[in-house]
Amino acid sequence: DAKTTQPNSMESNEEEPVHLPCNHSTISGTDYIHWYRQLPSQGPEYVIHGLTSNVNNRMASLAIAEDRKSSTLILHRATLRDAAVYYCILRDNTGTASKLTFGTGTRLQVTL
Amino acid sequence: DTAVSQTPKYLVTQMGNDKSIKCEQNLGHDTMYWYKQDSKKFLKIMFSYNNKELIINETVPNRFSPKSPDKAHLNLHINSLELGDSAVYFCASTSGQGVSGELFFGEGSRLTVL
Repeated sequence: DAKTTQPNSMESNEEEPVHLPCNHSTISGTDYIHWYRQLPSQGPEYVIHGLTSNVNNRMASLAIAEDRKSSTLILHRATLRDAAVYYCILRDNTGTASKLTFGTGTRLQVTL
Repeated sequence: DTAVSQTPKYLVTQMGNDKSIKCEQNLGHDTMYWYKQDSKKFLKIMFSYNNKELIINETVPNRFSPKSPDKAHLNLHINSLELGDSAVYFCASTSGQGVSGELFFGEGSRLTVL
C-alpha cells in the first residue's frame, strides 16, 4: 500500500466542523482512500472510503482532490465522542489479497 | 451481539510461556486478520486467512502460529513468549479477501509478558 502523510494531532471545539487532511502524492489509479479511526482502548473502526468522487455517509464526508494526491475527512459537527486517532490509508483493490497498512494517524482532540 | 470477539481481553504471563488468543466473528466473513499494536501505537498486520487458508504472512517470527479451524475463527498461538511480545493484538474480519469491504476489528487482547 502506498504511503500517506497526516498531521500528528489536531484540536477542535465541540459542535464545530473538523477537516482532517491527508497527503498521498504517490497514489496509483487503483488505490482506494480509506479512513479508519481508533477510539481510546478500542479497535479501529471503519469511517469512510472513496476512489475519485466525494463521498458522504452518516459518520463523515470524504473530499478527494481532483488529482487524487490529497483528501480531507470532514466531521461536520465534532463531539467529544469523536476524539480518536484517525488513519488515512491507501488500499490497492486490484483483486489480490489486500491488507490495510496503518500509518501514525492524526490524534484529534475535541474540547468543550 | 459482538461482531468480532476476542478472548481473553487481558493476559499477563511470564517469559517463556506459551499462550493463545482466540477470535470469532459472526458476520459471515471469509477473511480474517491478526494485527499487533505495540507500545508506540503502531498497528502492524501479522497474518491473514481466507477460507481457512493463509494468504498474508508478514514475516512474523515462527513462534507465532495462527490457526483457523473454520472461516469464523482465527486463533493465535504464541510459543516461548518474549518481553517484546507485549502488545495489544487485534483480530479483524472482512469479506472477499478484503479487496473492497471494510474491516471489522475486535476490541483487542492486551498481552503483558513479565
